[in-house]
Amino acid sequence: ELKVEQNPLFLSMQEGKNYTIYCNYSTTSDRLYWYRQDPGKSLESLFVLLSNGAVKQEGRLMASLDTKARLSTLHITAAVHDLSATYFCAGRSGAGSYQLTFGKGTKLSVIP
Amino acid sequence: NAGVTQTPKFQVLKTGQSMTLQCAQDMNHEYMSWYRQDPGMGLRLIHYSVGAGITDQGEVPNGYNVSRSTTEDFPLRLLSAAPSQTSVYFCASKVLAGGSGANVLTFGAGSRLTVL
Repeated sequence: ELKVEQNPLFLSMQEGKNYTIYCNYSTTSDRLYWYRQDPGKSLESLFVLLSNGAVKQEGRLMASLDTKARLSTLHITAAVHDLSATYFCAGRSGAGSYQLTFGKGTKLSVIP
Repeated sequence: NAGVTQTPKFQVLKTGQSMTLQCAQDMNHEYMSWYRQDPGMGLRLIHYSVGAGITDQGEVPNGYNVSRSTTEDFPLRLLSAAPSQTSVYFCASKVLAGGSGANVLTFGAGSRLTVL
């Protein structure tokens, strides 16, 4: 059974600083997803990482995947207030499956 | 949330009442699923469907029924609501993500259910 753990669960950071959110998963997951959720809103897809060593970047967010370590990271560069949200990672336990297992989420607050 | 429509957005029920959360998509996607989101728990899969007439259970199926008579609709039924079913419910459909060439789940706006 796939388990997904994120840390930290809460993150308060100053504008302009860098930080990384970690996503560990327990068994093989052939791809890894990152989503963003604003308060009271739905989930928005950020990245899907397809293979070992995959790196995706969008603006100040960069996601990477290390399948050997069963670890994905979401790196935030020079944080701005607009990045305040909850970020979820999710894996899937079978190729072709879309039954995703989500982490508990990391609530990010960027303060001036 | 384009393409996945959930209704209602908010609902209050009394214990023991029944109701149906509606989910519809107009993208002709085969795969649809229901998740519930509780504080500090992330999202947990309730039921999913890989096409009309085919459904299966997820991680937390107890207390919920689903059916998939058409490709477009995937309703979630609570037959006898319990306070433990107070949650935010999200319907999702599999879509092709622009740029990556891979499929991702796209979520509806959510339905917030309170059971008293």
